[in-house]
Amino acid sequence: DTGVSQDPRHKITKRGQNVTFRCDPISEHNRLYWYRQTLGQGPEFLTYFQNEAQLEKSRLLSDRFSAERPKGSFSTLEIQRTEQGDSAMYLCASSLAGGDTEAFFGQGTRLTVV
Amino acid sequence: AQSVTQLGSHVSVSEGALVLLRCNYSSSVPPYLFWYVQYPNQGLQLLLKYTSAATLVKGINGFEAEFKKSETSFHLTKPSAHMSDAAEYFCAVSDLQNQGGKLIFGQGTELSVKP
Repeated sequence: DTGVSQDPRHKITKRGQNVTFRCDPISEHNRLYWYRQTLGQGPEFLTYFQNEAQLEKSRLLSDRFSAERPKGSFSTLEIQRTEQGDSAMYLCASSLAGGDTEAFFGQGTRLTVV
Repeated sequence: AQSVTQLGSHVSVSEGALVLLRCNYSSSVPPYLFWYVQYPNQGLQLLLKYTSAATLVKGINGFEAEFKKSETSFHLTKPSAHMSDAAEYFCAVSDLQNQGGKLIFGQGTELSVKP
């Protein structure tokens, strides 16, 4: 297994367009997380899945954001009608169940909205 | 609610000097604590974690951290800095209250190492 992979690594889009990011977790990991990181800040939790079920979504997450994890494998994060404030690094992580287990992070997708 | 505060957004040390990055946490339950490192345009890599076993935790690349309940601290140290240690460091607490295991991060400390 090569770890958590994210695609694309970089995305530039015009304001108002929709974008979709993909995350492939480590195969045996049943938990998958999405975080957003802006410049000079720590990652901020967006949502997480256990297998295919989306169990928690941040209250800060706009209705323009949606995530799926069909069949409990890869996940997609879609942002509709992008705004300049959506510009950030979007990080995906996966782990086994348990609060003490290590989360493995992908390299992230950097989104720039112009 | 759980939270993490990292004191000092930027720390600069000379090569060979002691590295000390500060982290204080707030948690109503015994916490699980983590230190991650992030190199430019990369994801995060785990340095070490505290999960209620030994209070002194050793990690990769010569880093260690000590859990002090009385001070609600989990400071990261390394006896001798190397140029390759220059990176952003994040302290995080696991959100055990929701049983989800999501991480709550501090704002990060950028470490610079001078030759």
